[in-house]
Amino acid sequence: DAGVIQSPRHEVTEMGQEVTLRCKPISGHNSLFWYRQTMMRGLELLIYFNNNVPIDDSGMPEDRFSAKMPNASFSTLKIQPSEPRDSAVYFCASSFFGGNNEQFFGPGTRLTVL
Amino acid sequence: QQQVKQSPQSLIVQKGGIPIINCAYENTAFDYFPWYQQFPGKGPALLIAIRPDVSEKKEGRFTISFNKSAKQFSLHIMDSQPGDSATYFCAASMAAGNKLTFGGGTRVLVKP
Repeated sequence: DAGVIQSPRHEVTEMGQEVTLRCKPISGHNSLFWYRQTMMRGLELLIYFNNNVPIDDSGMPEDRFSAKMPNASFSTLKIQPSEPRDSAVYFCASSFFGGNNEQFFGPGTRLTVL
Repeated sequence: QQQVKQSPQSLIVQKGGIPIINCAYENTAFDYFPWYQQFPGKGPALLIAIRPDVSEKKEGRFTISFNKSAKQFSLHIMDSQPGDSATYFCAASMAAGNKLTFGGGTRVLVKP
């Protein structure tokens, strides 16, 4: 059974470019989370969805960040324009809301903005 | 505002030692306390979790101790092995929601 799938695994881009990160949650899960991990700030929740609806986006750093979940099997996190301080590992996680709250994390996307 | 405080930031022990990681929380509405383990280059994965109706939970060599009155919980790794070297995160959530609030993480190194 496939886990959470993220793409790309690595992304190197130049400042000012648009970056789109993709996530496919585990089939049957109805909650999806986007996290950012850095050495300085640890693991930060950016936004999460229940049943494809954004519930809490208070962790989104600024308007340059946006996230969508058009259906139960796909979500995107977009950064436009990207800046060097956005360099981090971005994780997507999914869970079954109403279950035991266990979140299953994907392998992450390592983003480097030059 | 960080609602779950984790310490220490890093820990080095010899094989067979017992690393102990501590977490403290502020929100008394939290009622689910998981620990996640993360290896380099991987996403975090659930290790063990506890609810406040018990004071201790063991799974293999991993034990959670929970002190509700002090709003603290800790992870003990018994008979630690080099393969336990990883970053450990405590977290907390409320029954009404599924959002996890993570601690800052502890990097554990178990020397052979």
